[in-house]
Amino acid sequence: TQLLEQSPQFLSIQEGENLTVYCNSSSVFSSLQWYRQEPGEGPVLLVTVVTGGEVKKLKRLTFQFGDARKDSSLHITAAQPGDTGLYLCAGWPGGFKTIFGAGTRLFVKA
Amino acid sequence: DVKVTQSSRYLVKRTGEKVFLECVQDMDHENMFWYRQDPGLGLRLIYFSYDVKMKEKGDIPEGYSVSREKKERFSLILESASTNQTSMYLCASSPPGQGWYYNEQFFGPGTRLTVL
Repeated sequence: TQLLEQSPQFLSIQEGENLTVYCNSSSVFSSLQWYRQEPGEGPVLLVTVVTGGEVKKLKRLTFQFGDARKDSSLHITAAQPGDTGLYLCAGWPGGFKTIFGAGTRLFVKA
Repeated sequence: DVKVTQSSRYLVKRTGEKVFLECVQDMDHENMFWYRQDPGLGLRLIYFSYDVKMKEKGDIPEGYSVSREKKERFSLILESASTNQTSMYLCASSPPGQGWYYNEQFFGPGTRLTVL
């Protein structure tokens, strides 16, 4: 069974702090996506990483794919209240199925 | 922008009722998915469809069925709702093909179903 474990499960920080969220697996993925989900809404795609070691930046968000394509991290610099939400990682091993992590719930206090 | 809409945002049903959840996408995507989302469990795939009238079971198909009569529409049916089917139901679609970029999924806003 392929699993994606996310840590931490919950994170509550002050505005302006930095944070890192992790997504780990023992399986290799062809690609990995990060989604953000706000309360009462569906997940929205933030980024897809494909190549081992790849780093992508989206404004204050930095995404990294592990060299072996088994893990990924999301780093947020100077967090803002608008970053509050559930962050989901999703690994694609190929085919039709996507493996989702349980998510990291982030709360940024003003 | 891809738009995925779901028929209801909130739904309350009684045990034993037949429940229909409908999903419509407007980007001509061939792949459509139904997930349920429960705290601490992430998204679990119920069914997916890769073409009209085609369907495949996901990880938790028991108690559910699906229908895809038109490309843009994918329906999830709970034949006899039970309390353990209380959950957030998410529909998603993705473009055709098997490359990594075609796995990016576009989600609807979700239907929060409560079965009493």
